[in-house]
Amino acid sequence: AQKITQTQPGMFVQEKEAVTLDCTYDTSDQSYGLFWYKQPSSGEMIFLIYQGSYDEQNATEGRYSLNFQKARKSANLVISASQLGDSAMYFCAMREGPGRRALTFGSGTRLQVQP
Amino acid sequence: SQTIHQWPATLVQPVGSPLSLECTVEGTSNPNLYWYRQAAGRGLQLLFYSIGIDQISSEVPQNLSASRPQDRQFILSSKKLLLSDSGFYLCAWGTTGGIKEKLFFGSGTQLSVL
Repeated sequence: AQKITQTQPGMFVQEKEAVTLDCTYDTSDQSYGLFWYKQPSSGEMIFLIYQGSYDEQNATEGRYSLNFQKARKSANLVISASQLGDSAMYFCAMREGPGRRALTFGSGTRLQVQP
Repeated sequence: SQTIHQWPATLVQPVGSPLSLECTVEGTSNPNLYWYRQAAGRGLQLLFYSIGIDQISSEVPQNLSASRPQDRQFILSSKKLLLSDSGFYLCAWGTTGGIKEKLFFGSGTQLSVL
């Protein structure tokens, strides 16, 4: 079974609008961490936001927020006030614990911001 | 501030040739180091990680090997490349360990094996 599922291969959003990128995960661990990364066309992976399984509040980092619904095993990324520079691939990832090193990545969502 | 350097940016190699990709980190000591591979249109797959000099762990069996001869240097190698080794290789570092460890990635190497 897929550990991380991103069901949206591509998304379009108008500049200045908000957009939600979906991510569901599968784990039997109680302790785990969820991450979102952005990959622009240059190829580097840029860390955006982190949510721990025991964090009671949804994580926020500037225009990025994470809609964490633990019972549904979903960790959707919300980008507010989209900018043209937000056009990129976005990857959801999970690290299960304890003692695991690997970040398991989803297949990604390509976001295109239109002027 | 910490920086990570990875080279070369692109590489075209014939099947059966050797490979050496290098990654160095500056501005931090004793980082955890990682090699990931990304197939076209896919997410990343962890290949190797290292928590210290000469301490290498492999996540998947494959044609590749990794070495860490110095604290901030991580090398990905192969003696004989296969077609299936083509992909985008990313080096990353982290410091905290544990579930919360954020990884910071290099700019990647696009490897084409022909």
